[in-house]
Amino acid sequence: EIVLTQSPGTLSLSPGERATLSCRASQSVSSSYLAWYQQKPGQAPRLLIYGASSRATGIPDRFSGSGSGTDFTLTISRLEPEDFAVYYCQQYGSSGALTFGGGTKVEIK
Amino acid sequence: QVQLQESGPGLVKPSETLSLTCTVSGGSISSYYWSWIRQPPGKGLEWIGYIYYSGSTNYNPSLKSRVTISVDTSKNQFSLKLSSVTAADTAVYYCARDPGGDYYDSSGYLVGYEPQYYFDYWGQGTLVTVSS
Repeated sequence: EIVLTQSPGTLSLSPGERATLSCRASQSVSSSYLAWYQQKPGQAPRLLIYGASSRATGIPDRFSGSGSGTDFTLTISRLEPEDFAVYYCQQYGSSGALTFGGGTKVEIK
Repeated sequence: QVQLQESGPGLVKPSETLSLTCTVSGGSISSYYWSWIRQPPGKGLEWIGYIYYSGSTNYNPSLKSRVTISVDTSKNQFSLKLSSVTAADTAVYYCARDPGGDYYDSSGYLVGYEPQYYFDYWGQGTLVTVSS
């Protein structure tokens, strides 16, 4: 099973700043099967990015995804107040297991 | 707009079977893949498994021995059964949709339809507590 490690665990930033979230896989992941989600308290996760870099419908262009192999990044170019939340990466591997990272919390500094 | 709604008991006794149903509205359950995902309180997400409307399934290897996912296309619903539950199964359980996509072979011929392994629509989630 592929393990996804997200860093940092918590990111303290101010509105308007740039956020860079990392997702590292224990073995190579197909870019086609790497996704990112945003989750706010008491809500279901919301799909942001799929295929490592494709924005989901309705997602603002301040959200971007990049990376390949074992290293993937979610970037929020300029944080808006509504962007403070927990972010998860997720992958599907050839072993038949779909796994999520442990999450990065983006909090207001 | 597709909507998913989980339903089922909020309290299950240890060693018993957890049963949940997800009702899909605003669209057909056909031609998509449907998953169950859970989240223990204050923790991260765990995929449980998926089902295609045709009935084919794929389960998380770590839960496979205890999980059954089924579909009822006439009711636009799919269901989860998790047997022999313990306190570790206490979680918010979400149902979600995988949009699926066409699958092409190396020659470019359309071979079939497969999961995309991401989730574009989610239910609001339902908390299931395992306790005597």
